[in-house]
Amino acid sequence: LAKTTQPISMDSYEGQEVNITCSHNNIATNDYITWYQQFPSQGPRFIIQGYKTKVTNEVASLFIPADRKSSTLSLPRVSLSDTAVYYCLVGPEGYQKVTFGIGTKLQVIP
Amino acid sequence: GAGVSQSPSNKVTEKGKDVELRCDPISGHTALYWYRQSLGQGLEFLIYFQGNSAPDKSGLPSDRFSAERTGGSVSTLTIQRTQQEDSAVYLCASSIDRVATNEKLFFGSGTQLSVL
Repeated sequence: LAKTTQPISMDSYEGQEVNITCSHNNIATNDYITWYQQFPSQGPRFIIQGYKTKVTNEVASLFIPADRKSSTLSLPRVSLSDTAVYYCLVGPEGYQKVTFGIGTKLQVIP
Repeated sequence: GAGVSQSPSNKVTEKGKDVELRCDPISGHTALYWYRQSLGQGLEFLIYFQGNSAPDKSGLPSDRFSAERTGGSVSTLTIQRTQQEDSAVYLCASSIDRVATNEKLFFGSGTQLSVL
Protein backbone atom coordinates (compact mmCIF):
# COMPACT_ATOMS: atom_id res chain seq x y z
CA LEU A 1 0.00 0.00 0.00
CA ALA A 2 1.13 3.51 -0.76
CA LYS A 3 3.03 5.27 2.00
CA THR A 4 1.86 8.76 2.85
CA THR A 5 3.77 11.72 4.23
CA GLN A 6 2.09 14.79 5.67
CA PRO A 7 3.20 17.59 7.99
CA ILE A 8 2.99 16.77 11.67
CA SER A 9 1.45 20.10 12.61
CA MET A 10 0.18 23.39 11.20
CA ASP A 11 -1.08 26.63 12.68
CA SER A 12 -3.55 28.98 11.05
CA TYR A 13 -5.50 32.06 12.00
CA GLU A 14 -9.24 32.07 11.94
CA GLY A 15 -10.74 33.00 8.58
CA GLN A 16 -7.76 31.86 6.56
CA GLU A 17 -7.73 29.09 3.97
CA VAL A 18 -5.70 26.09 5.07
CA ASN A 19 -4.03 23.69 2.67
CA ILE A 20 -2.63 20.40 3.95
CA THR A 21 -0.56 18.46 1.45
CA CYS A 22 -0.05 14.71 1.54
CA SER A 23 2.68 13.01 -0.48
CA HIS A 24 2.10 9.51 -1.83
CA ASN A 25 4.74 8.87 -4.45
CA ASN A 26 4.00 5.17 -4.95
CA ILE A 27 0.25 5.46 -5.33
CA ALA A 28 -1.24 2.64 -7.38
CA THR A 29 -3.66 2.88 -10.27
CA ASN A 30 -6.63 1.64 -8.25
CA ASP A 31 -5.89 3.65 -5.12
CA TYR A 32 -8.27 6.26 -3.80
CA ILE A 33 -7.25 9.20 -1.61
CA THR A 34 -9.28 9.72 1.53
CA TRP A 35 -9.11 12.31 4.30
CA TYR A 36 -10.45 11.99 7.83
CA GLN A 37 -10.77 14.54 10.61
CA GLN A 38 -10.45 13.71 14.29
CA PHE A 39 -11.46 15.97 17.15
CA PRO A 40 -10.19 15.30 20.68
CA SER A 41 -12.01 12.45 22.44
CA GLN A 42 -13.79 11.44 19.26
CA GLY A 43 -13.27 8.90 16.51
CA PRO A 44 -12.18 10.08 13.06
CA ARG A 45 -14.79 11.44 10.72
CA PHE A 46 -14.73 11.05 6.93
CA ILE A 47 -14.20 14.40 5.19
CA ILE A 48 -13.61 13.80 1.52
CA GLN A 49 -12.40 11.27 -0.99
CA GLY A 50 -11.13 11.51 -4.53
CA TYR A 51 -9.37 9.70 -7.31
CA LYS A 52 -8.16 12.47 -9.62
CA THR A 53 -8.56 16.19 -10.35
CA LYS A 54 -10.70 18.11 -7.88
CA VAL A 55 -13.45 17.12 -5.50
CA THR A 56 -15.49 19.58 -3.46
CA ASN A 57 -18.10 19.13 -0.80
CA GLU A 58 -19.65 21.27 1.91
CA VAL A 59 -16.64 20.80 4.19
CA ALA A 60 -13.54 20.87 2.02
CA SER A 61 -11.93 20.56 -1.38
CA LEU A 62 -9.44 17.96 -2.46
CA PHE A 63 -6.97 18.76 -5.20
CA ILE A 64 -5.19 15.91 -6.95
CA PRO A 65 -2.64 16.65 -9.72
CA ALA A 66 -2.46 14.56 -12.84
CA ASP A 67 0.40 12.36 -11.58
CA ARG A 68 -1.53 11.71 -8.34
CA LYS A 69 1.71 11.60 -6.34
CA SER A 70 0.34 14.13 -3.91
CA SER A 71 -2.97 15.59 -2.84
CA THR A 72 -4.00 18.76 -1.03
CA LEU A 73 -6.87 19.10 1.38
CA SER A 74 -8.17 22.66 1.35
CA LEU A 75 -10.28 24.03 4.19
CA PRO A 76 -11.83 27.40 3.37
CA ARG A 77 -12.01 30.11 6.03
CA VAL A 78 -11.18 27.95 9.04
CA SER A 79 -12.70 28.56 12.44
CA LEU A 80 -11.60 27.49 15.91
CA SER A 81 -13.80 24.43 15.57
CA ASP A 82 -11.62 23.15 12.73
CA THR A 83 -8.83 22.49 15.21
CA ALA A 84 -8.30 18.76 14.81
CA VAL A 85 -6.01 16.08 13.46
CA TYR A 86 -6.33 15.42 9.73
CA TYR A 87 -5.36 12.04 8.30
CA CYS A 88 -4.56 11.25 4.68
CA LEU A 89 -5.10 7.66 3.58
CA VAL A 90 -4.27 6.11 0.25
CA GLY A 91 -5.40 2.66 -0.75
CA PRO A 92 -7.73 0.39 -2.64
CA GLU A 93 -10.30 -1.99 -1.31
CA GLY A 94 -9.06 -3.21 2.05
CA TYR A 95 -7.08 -0.08 2.83
CA GLN A 96 -8.83 0.19 6.16
CA LYS A 97 -6.40 -2.36 7.56
CA VAL A 98 -3.67 0.21 7.36
CA THR A 99 -2.74 2.34 10.31
CA PHE A 100 -3.85 5.91 9.93
CA GLY A 101 -0.46 7.41 10.74
CA ILE A 102 0.02 10.35 13.07
CA GLY A 103 -1.80 12.79 10.79
CA THR A 104 -1.51 16.57 10.72
CA LYS A 105 -2.49 18.44 13.85
CA LEU A 106 -4.11 21.70 12.78
CA GLN A 107 -4.33 24.42 15.40
CA VAL A 108 -6.57 27.35 14.52
CA ILE A 109 -5.62 30.52 16.36
CA PRO A 110 -8.07 33.33 17.17
CA GLY B 1 -28.99 3.67 16.04
CA ALA B 2 -27.93 6.86 14.41
CA GLY B 3 -24.23 6.23 14.83
CA VAL B 4 -21.67 3.74 16.09
CA SER B 5 -22.04 3.27 19.82
CA GLN B 6 -19.26 2.08 22.10
CA SER B 7 -19.37 1.15 25.76
CA PRO B 8 -18.07 1.81 28.26
CA SER B 9 -16.66 5.20 27.35
CA ASN B 10 -14.03 4.80 30.06
CA LYS B 11 -12.66 1.70 31.71
CA VAL B 12 -10.10 1.53 34.49
CA THR B 13 -8.77 -1.89 35.38
CA GLU B 14 -5.95 -3.50 37.24
CA LYS B 15 -3.08 -5.25 35.54
CA GLY B 16 -3.90 -8.90 34.97
CA LYS B 17 -7.66 -8.46 34.81
CA ASP B 18 -9.76 -9.21 31.73
CA VAL B 19 -11.83 -6.51 30.05
CA GLU B 20 -14.62 -6.51 27.48
CA LEU B 21 -15.32 -3.59 25.19
CA ARG B 22 -18.56 -3.37 23.26
CA CYS B 23 -19.43 -1.90 19.88
CA ASP B 24 -22.86 -1.40 18.31
CA PRO B 25 -22.38 -0.57 14.63
CA ILE B 26 -24.74 1.41 12.45
CA SER B 27 -27.76 -0.68 11.56
CA GLY B 28 -27.33 -2.34 8.20
CA HIS B 29 -23.56 -1.97 8.07
CA THR B 30 -21.97 -5.29 7.25
CA ALA B 31 -18.36 -4.42 7.99
CA LEU B 32 -17.00 -3.69 11.45
CA TYR B 33 -13.49 -2.72 12.50
CA TRP B 34 -11.56 -2.32 15.71
CA TYR B 35 -8.66 0.11 15.98
CA ARG B 36 -6.40 1.10 18.84
CA GLN B 37 -5.03 4.59 19.36
CA SER B 38 -2.31 5.24 21.86
CA LEU B 39 -1.78 8.75 23.20
CA GLY B 40 -0.56 11.07 20.46
CA GLN B 41 -0.38 8.28 17.91
CA GLY B 42 -2.30 7.28 14.82
CA LEU B 43 -4.82 4.48 14.61
CA GLU B 44 -3.58 0.92 14.63
CA PHE B 45 -5.79 -1.65 12.89
CA LEU B 46 -6.70 -4.61 15.11
CA ILE B 47 -9.40 -6.73 13.51
CA TYR B 48 -12.03 -6.64 10.82
CA PHE B 49 -15.39 -8.41 10.36
CA GLN B 50 -17.24 -8.63 7.06
CA GLY B 51 -20.64 -10.27 7.08
CA ASN B 52 -20.38 -13.99 7.73
CA SER B 53 -16.79 -14.27 6.53
CA ALA B 54 -13.97 -15.21 8.84
CA PRO B 55 -12.61 -12.09 10.53
CA ASP B 56 -9.28 -10.59 9.53
CA LYS B 57 -7.30 -10.83 12.75
CA SER B 58 -3.98 -9.81 11.27
CA GLY B 59 -3.70 -6.70 13.41
CA LEU B 60 -4.24 -8.24 16.83
CA PRO B 61 -1.02 -7.59 18.82
CA SER B 62 -1.08 -10.80 20.86
CA ASP B 63 -3.17 -13.84 21.71
CA ARG B 64 -4.51 -11.96 24.72
CA PHE B 65 -6.70 -10.04 22.31
CA SER B 66 -9.82 -11.54 20.75
CA ALA B 67 -13.05 -10.29 19.26
CA GLU B 68 -16.44 -11.63 18.38
CA ARG B 69 -19.31 -10.34 16.36
CA THR B 70 -22.64 -11.95 17.16
CA GLY B 71 -25.47 -12.05 14.68
CA GLY B 72 -23.62 -9.80 12.30
CA SER B 73 -24.20 -6.82 14.54
CA VAL B 74 -22.76 -6.19 18.02
CA SER B 75 -19.07 -6.85 18.55
CA THR B 76 -17.06 -7.42 21.69
CA LEU B 77 -13.31 -6.93 21.96
CA THR B 78 -11.82 -8.89 24.84
CA ILE B 79 -8.40 -8.30 26.32
CA GLN B 80 -7.22 -10.97 28.72
CA ARG B 81 -4.64 -10.46 31.45
CA THR B 82 -4.36 -6.77 30.68
CA GLN B 83 -0.97 -5.10 30.71
CA GLN B 84 -0.13 -1.45 31.19
CA GLU B 85 0.87 -1.15 27.54
CA ASP B 86 -2.73 -2.02 26.63
CA SER B 87 -3.78 1.42 27.88
CA ALA B 88 -5.18 3.28 24.89
CA VAL B 89 -8.39 4.38 23.21
CA TYR B 90 -10.11 1.51 21.44
CA LEU B 91 -12.14 2.68 18.47
CA CYS B 92 -14.80 0.80 16.58
CA ALA B 93 -15.92 1.67 13.08
CA SER B 94 -18.46 0.30 10.66
CA SER B 95 -19.03 0.63 6.95
CA ILE B 96 -21.75 -0.39 4.59
CA ASP B 97 -19.80 -2.85 2.56
CA ARG B 98 -16.14 -3.77 2.25
CA VAL B 99 -16.32 -4.53 -1.43
CA ALA B 100 -16.39 -0.96 -2.72
CA THR B 101 -13.01 0.68 -3.10
CA ASN B 102 -14.35 4.06 -2.04
CA GLU B 103 -15.65 2.81 1.26
CA LYS B 104 -16.32 5.25 4.09
CA LEU B 105 -15.75 4.39 7.75
CA PHE B 106 -18.01 5.63 10.53
CA PHE B 107 -16.32 5.67 13.92
CA GLY B 108 -17.61 5.56 17.45
CA SER B 109 -16.22 7.81 20.17
CA GLY B 110 -14.09 5.02 21.57
CA THR B 111 -13.39 3.41 24.91
CA GLN B 112 -10.55 4.89 26.95
CA LEU B 113 -8.88 1.94 28.65
CA SER B 114 -6.53 2.58 31.54
CA VAL B 115 -4.61 -0.32 33.04
CA LEU B 116 -3.14 0.44 36.44
